[in-house]
Amino acid sequence: NAGVTQTPKFQVLKTGQSMTLQCAQDMNHEYMSWYRQDPGMGLRLIHYSVGAGITDQGEVPNGYNVSRSTTEDFPLRLLSAAPSQTSVYFCASSYSRILAGAADTQYFGPGTRLTVL
Amino acid sequence: TQLLEQSPQFLSIQEGENLTVYCNSSSVFSSLQWYRQEPGEGPVLLVTVVTGGEVKKLKRLTFQFGDARKDSSLHITAAQPGDTGLYLCAGSSGAGSYQLTFGKGTKLSVIP
Repeated sequence: NAGVTQTPKFQVLKTGQSMTLQCAQDMNHEYMSWYRQDPGMGLRLIHYSVGAGITDQGEVPNGYNVSRSTTEDFPLRLLSAAPSQTSVYFCASSYSRILAGAADTQYFGPGTRLTVL
Repeated sequence: TQLLEQSPQFLSIQEGENLTVYCNSSSVFSSLQWYRQEPGEGPVLLVTVVTGGEVKKLKRLTFQFGDARKDSSLHITAAQPGDTGLYLCAGSSGAGSYQLTFGKGTKLSVIP
């Protein structure tokens, strides 16, 4: 199993450009999510999905769109990039959401380092 | 909004020393996880604690969940350079909740 894969590894955009960060997992996980990690801010949830066709907003959703057409893929779209979106983006997946009060293991991808000029 | 405060934010110690990292909140969590992240990589789960007062050991790492399930600690005995990394705690509020709340992390450097 490749686990969670993310592409690209690095990306530089100009303000106003759009792009899609790709995320795929081969573990048949129901739950997938996108986080951004900024210095001193920890990991903040952008969007998440509990299964194909179902998505919802996290803590910092503005400026981002997601879709989940298949179990395997969960792309993150930046509609019009802004310098404030410069960050490291992580995709994560887990077999289930939270069962019996105990969070399931989140498997993280290697991240995409995005710079918006 | 549930918050998790981690302390210290940075920690630099000599190889062989012991250390403790704390994760505190005013909110009750149904479970708490600890992740370790190395530079250029995603976080990797170390442990999940569920029961108040629970203690789990992973080789030289000891994790404890507070009795009231509002705090947790990670103790490392005889730290080694391989322990260097960013340690993150993450809490979940309970069944049916899809979201994890992450602390800001403790950056540990173990000097040989």
